[in-house]
Amino acid sequence: AQKITQTQPGMFVQEKEAVTLDCTYDTSDPSYGLFWYKQPSSGEMIFLIYQGSYDQQNATEGRYSLNFQKARKSANLVISASQLGDSAMYFCAMSNSGGGADGLTFGKGTHLIIQP
Amino acid sequence: GAGVSQSPSNKVTEKGKDVELRCDPISGHTALYWYRQSLGQGLEFLIYFQGNSAPDKSGLPSDRFSAERTGGSVSTLTIQRTQQEDSAVYLCASSWSGTGGYEQYFGPGTRLTVT
Repeated sequence: AQKITQTQPGMFVQEKEAVTLDCTYDTSDPSYGLFWYKQPSSGEMIFLIYQGSYDQQNATEGRYSLNFQKARKSANLVISASQLGDSAMYFCAMSNSGGGADGLTFGKGTHLIIQP
Repeated sequence: GAGVSQSPSNKVTEKGKDVELRCDPISGHTALYWYRQSLGQGLEFLIYFQGNSAPDKSGLPSDRFSAERTGGSVSTLTIQRTQQEDSAVYLCASSWSGTGGYEQYFGPGTRLTVT
């Protein structure tokens, strides 16, 4: 069975600082995908970034990067130069076979608050 | 273009009544997913459709839950004889395919309250 662990229930960060949100995962499948989603207070789930288990390089999308350490089974999200609008819940998720045929398994989330 | 839409946005129902939740995926997306988000359980995957077929229904919480998809498009999630523990936000998502690392686009959700 797949499992995602996010150990930071909440984080307070000063605006413009970099943020690292932790995510560790557990799976016996050699092929899998890792996702990060953002959920603002309005409730919509917004896709941020994807990393496939066979990808050689860490994924980057604008201010978001994924620090993928396969041997340690970690997939931390790094947000550079945080902004007030980054305040939200952040969920790490995993799919089977890199694509989600079994749906996504989500962590409990991290509530990030950016302070001015 | 239009995103994933869900209706109703809010539903309040009495315990024991049946409810039907609707999801309209993004046009052309072949894969469709239902999730449930509640304070106690977090985000739970319920069921996945590839086209009109759901290969695995084991994620549905009980036999009171059923889902169908017609024409490779609209999906409905039906909850029979609702219980208070069914209160949650039900999220629908769609993607181009069920394989290949495609991101899932989520709808705004249906907030279900069972009184």
